[in-house]
Amino acid sequence: EAQVTQNPRYLITVTGKKLTVTCSQNMNHEYMSWYRQDPGLGLRQIYYSMNVEVTDKGDVPEGYKVSRKEKRNFPLILESPSPNQTSLYFCASSLLQGWNSPLHFGNGTRLTVT
Amino acid sequence: QKEVEQDPGPLSVPEGAIVSLNCTYSNSAFQYFMWYRQYSRKGPELLMYTYSSGNKEDGRFTAQVDKSSKYISLFIRDSQPSDSATYLCAMSELNNAGNMLTFGGGTRLMVKP
Repeated sequence: EAQVTQNPRYLITVTGKKLTVTCSQNMNHEYMSWYRQDPGLGLRQIYYSMNVEVTDKGDVPEGYKVSRKEKRNFPLILESPSPNQTSLYFCASSLLQGWNSPLHFGNGTRLTVT
Repeated sequence: QKEVEQDPGPLSVPEGAIVSLNCTYSNSAFQYFMWYRQYSRKGPELLMYTYSSGNKEDGRFTAQVDKSSKYISLFIRDSQPSDSATYLCAMSELNNAGNMLTFGGGTRLMVKP
């Protein structure tokens, strides 16, 4: 089944404790992206990658890191999480970069930072 | 002011009703318009997309774009309980580096049997 898989689904952590949220897609998609979703604010892009070893900042990159060492994986790293990073995070992928290449989303990771 | 405004709802309608979901936007550079549907505890999924003013129909769904008014709508005919979800509009500029979409905040729809 074609899918984007995120892990974990739920994560509670404390301020300053480094964490990684994994994302993997099995569709051989070139483009991958991370979003955060907050009430009333919609989805905001954190980072994106157009191919292996090519990453760039989205709208809200502060406090996050990403890497794209393999085509299928795009982990999101929070080196020193803070409470304002409490949010619902989505990884997405598409075949190509462009508006008419539909984004396929994972089922989300709900992160709470205390 | 946010670039894309969307009434958060919730919007509650009886089964069989016609539903109208709307977004307004301020950036006249937006050329491409999409609607995503998001079920509870799931990621968004693309429902429809369009790049021109006017209407686009797909089954019970019609997307309407009015660029002159900076207003887009999604109509759902003969609404079903399975349509209960949050609907997100999304927009993109013509020269779109990074596939960057600007999303509305989403409207939660509840269709009651």
